[in-house]
Amino acid sequence: DAGVTQSPTHLIKTRGQQVTLRCSPISGHKSVSWYQQVLGQGPQFIFQYYEKEERGRGNFPDRFSARQFPNYSSELNVNALLLGDSALYLCASSSIGRGTYEQYFGPGTRLTVT
Amino acid sequence: TQLLEQSPQFLSIQEGENLTVYCNSSSVFSSLQWYRQEPGEGPVLLVTVVTGGEVKKLKRLTFQFGDARKDSSLHITAAQPGDTGLYLCAGPNTGNQFYFGTGTSLTVIP
Repeated sequence: DAGVTQSPTHLIKTRGQQVTLRCSPISGHKSVSWYQQVLGQGPQFIFQYYEKEERGRGNFPDRFSARQFPNYSSELNVNALLLGDSALYLCASSSIGRGTYEQYFGPGTRLTVT
Repeated sequence: TQLLEQSPQFLSIQEGENLTVYCNSSSVFSSLQWYRQEPGEGPVLLVTVVTGGEVKKLKRLTFQFGDARKDSSLHITAAQPGDTGLYLCAGPNTGNQFYFGTGTSLTVIP
């Protein structure tokens, strides 16, 4: 079975531009979470979606938005890009059920803002 | 705000040596997870510990959850170059949204 896929793998944008990142979860997984990982740090939680509804939002400005589609894929949008938005953006899918909650990460999208 | 602090931040050891990585918090977590991340890839889940005092072993890796469920450790025996990577601990809030630690970058020199 295919794992979590993300596109594009790399992206270079200019300050002030907008970007859309895409994620396809593992088949059967209905929950998607987005994380930002700045070089040298651990991932920081941005959004969680389950069954197309936002279930959680991290401490990020309103320039960040996301949505989940009926097929459970997801997009992360960032408007008015700043240099500080340069990071690896990770998508994780999970199957919410009984017991512990396990996330499976995609390879990430490396965003560089110049 | 980082709720989980990891130490050390960087670790460089010779192949065959043992090492321990720590993950500490002032908050109680219902569970803690450990991940390993290699360059250019997303984190890969290694283990989830749930019960205070729990010890789990994964080949040469031993994971322990503190009795008070505020801390965890990862011990690697006889480290190998393939163990090189960024080790991350992570804990959930009540909504299963995960806080990640600051990470420990491990380099095992052949």
